[in-house]
Amino acid sequence: LAKTTQPISMDSYEGQEVNITCSHNNIATNDYITWYQQFPSQGPRFIIQGYKTKVTNEVASLFIPADRKSSTLSLPRVSLSDTAVYYCLVAPEDGGSQGNLIFGKGTKLSVKP
Amino acid sequence: SAVISQKPSRDICQRGTSLTIQCQVDSQVTMMFWYRQQPGQSLTLIATANQGSEATYESGFVIDKFPISRPNLTFSTLTVSNMSPEDSSIYLCSGLDWGENTEAFFGQGTRLTVV
Repeated sequence: LAKTTQPISMDSYEGQEVNITCSHNNIATNDYITWYQQFPSQGPRFIIQGYKTKVTNEVASLFIPADRKSSTLSLPRVSLSDTAVYYCLVAPEDGGSQGNLIFGKGTKLSVKP
Repeated sequence: SAVISQKPSRDICQRGTSLTIQCQVDSQVTMMFWYRQQPGQSLTLIATANQGSEATYESGFVIDKFPISRPNLTFSTLTVSNMSPEDSSIYLCSGLDWGENTEAFFGQGTRLTVV
């Protein structure tokens, strides 16, 4: 299973764009890249998923280069409420059919006023 | 998106006792997982709950300590057996299904303190 590496923490200010990059050098052909957000005392919440190129939804954008060995979660104009831990996961399209939806260490984003 | 309810939300237990955590999903999901999370740490996968068969455990977790049931596609239980203070943690249930996205849904977690 592809291992992911993310920065442990990031700081930002309200209104800025935040980009969190995740490295997954051993990503497999059938792996998808998924990002989750977790607030204190809550379970993680799905943000966005992609396979290649760029994906955008109402919350974020996900940029994936052609070699797919990394991905970047982009949060436009962050607010204080975006302070959370962000996890990058790499897993096959059928999720955990091998029984291993594995979380890495995540990136703790702190947004300051 | 599916909604997952966990019970209890928190408990304080005596060492040597067992606690069963229930996880109810409001719709059928193909996969269900159980995680453990220490404060300030990432999630550690305990096992995959398989319907109608034994759960698949990750390295370091065994069935005798963490028996899991999954009688149908919407419900699962995790039992923490013969508890010690080292078992104090947050336990999270997750359901996964695939449609437009392969998305995992999580319960709010069960905060367990063993004294």
